[in-house]
Amino acid sequence: QVQLQESGPGLVKPSETLSLTCTVSGDSITGYYWSWIRQPPGKGLEWIGYIYYTGSTNYNPSLKSRVTISLDTSKNQFSLKLSSVTAADTAIYYCARNLYYESWFDPWGQGTLVTVSS
Amino acid sequence: DIQMTQSPSTLSASVGDRVTITCRASQSISSWLAWYQQKPGKAPKLLIYKASSLDSGVPSRFSGGGSGTEFTLTISSLQPDDFATYYCQQYDSYPYTFGQGTKLEI
Repeated sequence: QVQLQESGPGLVKPSETLSLTCTVSGDSITGYYWSWIRQPPGKGLEWIGYIYYTGSTNYNPSLKSRVTISLDTSKNQFSLKLSSVTAADTAIYYCARNLYYESWFDPWGQGTLVTVSS
Repeated sequence: DIQMTQSPSTLSASVGDRVTITCRASQSISSWLAWYQQKPGKAPKLLIYKASSLDSGVPSRFSGGGSGTEFTLTISSLQPDDFATYYCQQYDSYPYTFGQGTKLEI
């Protein structure tokens, strides 16, 4: 079965760029949509954006000016970059799959906590 | 953006109880709604998609209903493993949005 695993630095300084990678195993990245979602500690869920295996993207307007999602099909990975971070970007970041253009998230990665602090 | 509002925010119940969580959308989303269960320190897990379709492996005590702007998640007989936080999510239009969550506690 498909499994997703996030990786990247757990601590980022304010004003710098947060970078995370999601590695997909058990299935090809081809044919699906791949999303990033975040959850501030003790709070709710926020969709950040998706990338389709063709490279097309769609971002949440609330973050669009700071977000870039890319993919590397040769490594079966996709990545998130969030620039100019502040303490408000401290959250658990999840990667997840969408089967279709507009669909639910399944499965999810286990999540990785990123703290923004100097 | 479509706003999703869950009620209640917290629900106290006992093993064996039947419980219902409600999710309301700020505009019609047809049946494009999913429900997730999240336990502390874990990622959300899909329970239901398309408002009422049970994901593979999810116990039949879970059921979903509704369409348009009002949806429900019902657990027919609570089990100890069900105490968690539940989220609804609309996928009718972008940006995808979630409800604020309902914490189901003993």
